[in-house]
Amino acid sequence: GENVEQHPSTLSVQEGDSAVIKCTYSDSASNYFPWYKQELGKGPQLIIDIRSNVGEKKDQRIAVTLNKTAKHFSLHITETQPEDSAVYFCAASLHSGGYQKVTFGTGTKLQVIP
Amino acid sequence: KAGVTQTPRYLIKTRGQQVTLSCSPISGHRSVSWYQQTPGQGLQFLFEYFSETQRNKGNFPGRFSGRQFSNSRSEMNVSTLELGDSALYLCASSPDRIYAREQYFGPGTRLTVT
Repeated sequence: GENVEQHPSTLSVQEGDSAVIKCTYSDSASNYFPWYKQELGKGPQLIIDIRSNVGEKKDQRIAVTLNKTAKHFSLHITETQPEDSAVYFCAASLHSGGYQKVTFGTGTKLQVIP
Repeated sequence: KAGVTQTPRYLIKTRGQQVTLSCSPISGHRSVSWYQQTPGQGLQFLFEYFSETQRNKGNFPGRFSGRQFSNSRSEMNVSTLELGDSALYLCASSPDRIYAREQYFGPGTRLTVT
């Protein structure tokens, strides 16, 4: 089955700096890669996603890149703010045998220091 | 448009009891998935329902079951509760299941088994 590895597990950055979180996946059939932000006491919130036919996608301060050959994708947050502090999850998803399979990474706890 | 709602938000049960959790997806979404989130195991897929039928199931014992109603609302049931079932149970809805699509999570139900 699919295996998703996520690094680092914790990340501290100064406010205004950039943060990068990296994930690798094992199943080349995965074709959809969402990123989620989970704040304390809340469910994961979809913040950005990318499909396998796209190499990069950007939404304001957040961007995601995908390297299909190397089977890795990354989340980039620029000009970090204290409210970016949360746990971030990557996921790899594929549609197989009539159903969708989603595998999550183990999460990265991001702390933005004011 | 209202988001995914889950009830109850918090629940305390004792070993051996059973529990039923409820999830109302985003209006128009027909796919509902359930996940268990624990500090040690992360986000683990339980099962997915679409059009009142279970379409996919994760590696959980038969004590975990679910169902979906004609209005797409879903319930999850855990029988003979064990201490290890203490977790945050998350429900996620998707527009459909034909392709790998974005999932929107609810706030979760925090279950504590004593």
